[in-house]
Amino acid sequence: AQSVTQPDIHITVSEGASLELRCNYSYGATPYLFWYVQSPGQGLQLLLKYFSGDTLVQGIKGFEAEFKRSQSSFNLRKPSVHWSDAAEYFCAVGAFGGGADGLTFGKGTHLIIQP
Amino acid sequence: DTAVSQTPKYLVTQMGNDKSIKCEQNLGHDTMYWYKQDSKKFLKIMFSYNNKELIINETVPNRFSPKSPDKAHLNLHINSLELGDSAVYFCASSQTGQGGYTFGSGTRLTVV
Repeated sequence: AQSVTQPDIHITVSEGASLELRCNYSYGATPYLFWYVQSPGQGLQLLLKYFSGDTLVQGIKGFEAEFKRSQSSFNLRKPSVHWSDAAEYFCAVGAFGGGADGLTFGKGTHLIIQP
Repeated sequence: DTAVSQTPKYLVTQMGNDKSIKCEQNLGHDTMYWYKQDSKKFLKIMFSYNNKELIINETVPNRFSPKSPDKAHLNLHINSLELGDSAVYFCASSQTGQGGYTFGSGTRLTVV
């Protein structure tokens, strides 16, 4: 069965500091990996996704993620956070091109930005 | 044009009522999904449907039933609503053999 682990439930970062959110996955085939962000009361916004190619993926809002097959990880990074980055972040895994299982999400990491 | 649209955005209803949430996608995708996001923000798949086959997550009560009048729509019917059904429900779609999952903006259901 596919699964995603986000080990950090909450992370607090000072504005302007760097950020890394951890994600580990378990998947029986080639994984299709995603990071989504959800602001309070809002829907899911796709930050970036990875299926193949360069293992360092650039996304929107200055985020990037690195796929490491040997570690089954897909960590999200940002060099300098802004107060507007405070939100819930979800890592997800699924099959390329959909399928019955859809996406499996991690439980999310709540990012708090300190002034 | 919104790719995956859900209506209503907010729904407040009393326990025991029956309600529906509508979902439409204009992407020509062949697979649609319903997800539930609970009060702890955990997102879990409820159903997937691709014209031919409905896959139901075994943890979903049979009070929940998806209905697909055509390939572009997958509505969610909920009978005898309970307080624990309060959540945000997301519809999504994808196309077999192609990348990407597109999500709707969610429906916040509150049962009182």
